[in-house]
Amino acid sequence: QKEVEQNSGPLSVPEGAIASLNCTYSDRGSQSFFWYRQYSGKSPELIMFIYSNGDKEDGRFTAQLNKASQYVSLLIRDSQPSDSATYLCAVRFSGGYQKVTFGTGTKLQVIP
Amino acid sequence: DAGVIQSPRHEVTEMGQEVTLRCKPISGHDYLFWYRQTMMRGLELLIYFNNNVPIDDSGMPEDRFSAKMPNASFSTLKIQPSEPRDSAVYFCASRNDRGGEKLFFGSGTQLSVL
Repeated sequence: QKEVEQNSGPLSVPEGAIASLNCTYSDRGSQSFFWYRQYSGKSPELIMFIYSNGDKEDGRFTAQLNKASQYVSLLIRDSQPSDSATYLCAVRFSGGYQKVTFGTGTKLQVIP
Repeated sequence: DAGVIQSPRHEVTEMGQEVTLRCKPISGHDYLFWYRQTMMRGLELLIYFNNNVPIDDSGMPEDRFSAKMPNASFSTLKIQPSEPRDSAVYFCASRNDRGGEKLFFGSGTQLSVL
């Protein structure tokens, strides 16, 4: 069974600090990696995605892939209280066509 | 565009009753996904369609669950008979190839089976 694993948290960081979120995945041949943010009682929304060929930076967010160790990370710089949410890591596994598998999420709390 | 529209927002029913959840994808999107979210198991893919055709239903938990997509603008997920363990938030999501791999989620249906 192909899996995506995340620490459920909560991860608490002070406002202005860097928040580092990680997830591991089981399939070495995976192609696409996603980070979704989900506020309590709301639906997930995509904040970053990367392919297997490289990292990506978008404003305060950076997604990094370590293929050798099979983990994906999301860095949030200058964390704000509005970043407090659950962050879902998702992976499109090789051979899965359009199937995207989600981790159970890490809850982030940014303390003012 | 109004986004992905799901109905109802909340559904409370008794064990053994039939439940039908509805989804209208974003116009022009050719993929539609049904997910179920619980605290214990997170977001699980139940089934997805491409151009109204079911492609992968391996996540459908058992025969009590069925999904249809009769046209490009409408899909249903039916549970018959419902059981308390089906209580969860059910999300519908859609996407197309032109927009990359971003999934657009609906607001979800909170299902409670008593």
